[in-house]
Amino acid sequence: QVQLVQSGAEVKKPGASVKVSCKASGYTFTSYDINWVRQATGQGLEWMGWMNPNSGNTGYAQKFQGRVTMTRNTSISTAYMELSSLRSEDTAVYYCARGALRFDPWGQGTLVTVSS
Amino acid sequence: QSALTQPASVSGSPGQSITISCTGTSSDVGGYNYVSWYQQHPGKAPKLMIYDVSNRPSGVSNRFSGSKSGNTASLTISGLQAEDEADYYCSSYTSSSTFCVFGGGTKLTVL
Repeated sequence: QVQLVQSGAEVKKPGASVKVSCKASGYTFTSYDINWVRQATGQGLEWMGWMNPNSGNTGYAQKFQGRVTMTRNTSISTAYMELSSLRSEDTAVYYCARGALRFDPWGQGTLVTVSS
Repeated sequence: QSALTQPASVSGSPGQSITISCTGTSSDVGGYNYVSWYQQHPGKAPKLMIYDVSNRPSGVSNRFSGSKSGNTASLTISGLQAEDEADYYCSSYTSSSTFCVFGGGTKLTVL
């Protein structure tokens, strides 16, 4: 079955960077975009950006421009999202999701905690 | 503040129907047929329920339906069941630089 499995929880200090991975299985990795969405505790969903695994092309929400980088390794069907200059407000669960505009399925989520 | 406006909460009794609204602008909901709806149970990842305004993915119950009028999209759940109790989010393509926007979410309580 189509599945996205994300890396484990992370704890980072303010100013550091975090890199979350998203391993795809059950379909051709290069055939579908990967999007990243985050959710702070008790809050709503926030779209961060997308990546085309075939071309490597990316598009980022203006809010994250300059701080986020989305990449991939097609040999292992894995997408990555790196967020830099972390601050406490970046504490959230980060999800990857397959597709363009309709996100299905989603990864299980990765909790990133930013704390000194 | 979310780009799309949803009611914070709705409720209904088992067997009843409820509708959740999602209001945007002509730059997103009103201008394109790219509205999706997601269901999220506590501690779980969101699940796609409706895409392209009114289409259901395979495996989603036909009790879930979507529609759009002007700048407002709607999700209707008929024959409410206890398992429908969850948070629901709408999303839309937007012609702004953001590309994709979500609503603030609606908590559905089945009484």
